[in-house]
Amino acid sequence: DQQVKQNSPSLSVQEGRISILNCDYTNSMFDYFLWYKKYPAEGPTFLISISSIKDKNEDGRFTVFLNKSAKHLSLHIVPSQPGDSAVYFCAAKDQGGKLIFGQGTELSVKP
Amino acid sequence: IAGITQAPTSQILAAGRRMTLRCTQDMRHNAMYWYRQDLGLGLRLIHYSNTAGTTGKGEVPDGYSVSRANTDDFPLTLASAVPSQTSVYFCASSSTGASRDEQFFGPGTRLTVL
Repeated sequence: DQQVKQNSPSLSVQEGRISILNCDYTNSMFDYFLWYKKYPAEGPTFLISISSIKDKNEDGRFTVFLNKSAKHLSLHIVPSQPGDSAVYFCAAKDQGGKLIFGQGTELSVKP
Repeated sequence: IAGITQAPTSQILAAGRRMTLRCTQDMRHNAMYWYRQDLGLGLRLIHYSNTAGTTGKGEVPDGYSVSRANTDDFPLTLASAVPSQTSVYFCASSSTGASRDEQFFGPGTRLTVL
C-alpha cells in the first residue's frame, strides 16, 4: 500500500523548458513534504520542502506546489538544465517524523 | 569532509551468509536511518534510531537487525542473507527525529545476494 505515489517513472524535457514532476499521497495527516534528488551512484540529496500550511515554496529555479484538497504536490524546474537530469523522489513526513518516499521519477533534460 | 560514510561500496554475497553494512556519521546527529532502494518501490525504511541506545523498526525490518552503541555508528546486519535482500542500501542521519529535520544520506552500498 503505497502512501506516496509518483506515477511517472520517467520524464524527458528539452533544455530551457519547464519540468513538472508530480506526486500524490493518500494520508491526509501528512503535514510536511520534501523533494530529494539522486544522481547515479550517490545518495539522495535534499532539494526543497513545503509545509502543509503553505501552497507554494520557491527556491531559485525550483518551486514546489501543494494542493491539500487533492493530496497532490508537484515540483517545477524552470528553466531545466542538463545537470538537472537525475531521479527525483517525493517524500512525506509521517507523525513519527519518518520519511515515506515515492517510487521516484527519472528526469532526463536533453540539450 | 563532514558527512556519512558507508562500507563496503558494493558486495556480492552467497545466500545464507551473514553480512554487516557499516555506517558512520561525523555530524553528531542524534537520529540515524537505514533504507533500501528497489526499482519501482523507491526508498523504504528498514530500521531507525532516534538516539544512541535506542532503535525502532521501519516499514521492512524482517531479516535485518541494527544496533546503536554510540552516536556516530549505526551498523545494519543481515543474519542470513536471501536473494530478495539484493538492493542498494542507504544510511541517513538527521539532527533529531523531528518533523522539520532534513535527512542527509550516505553514498549507498550495493548488495547482491546469490
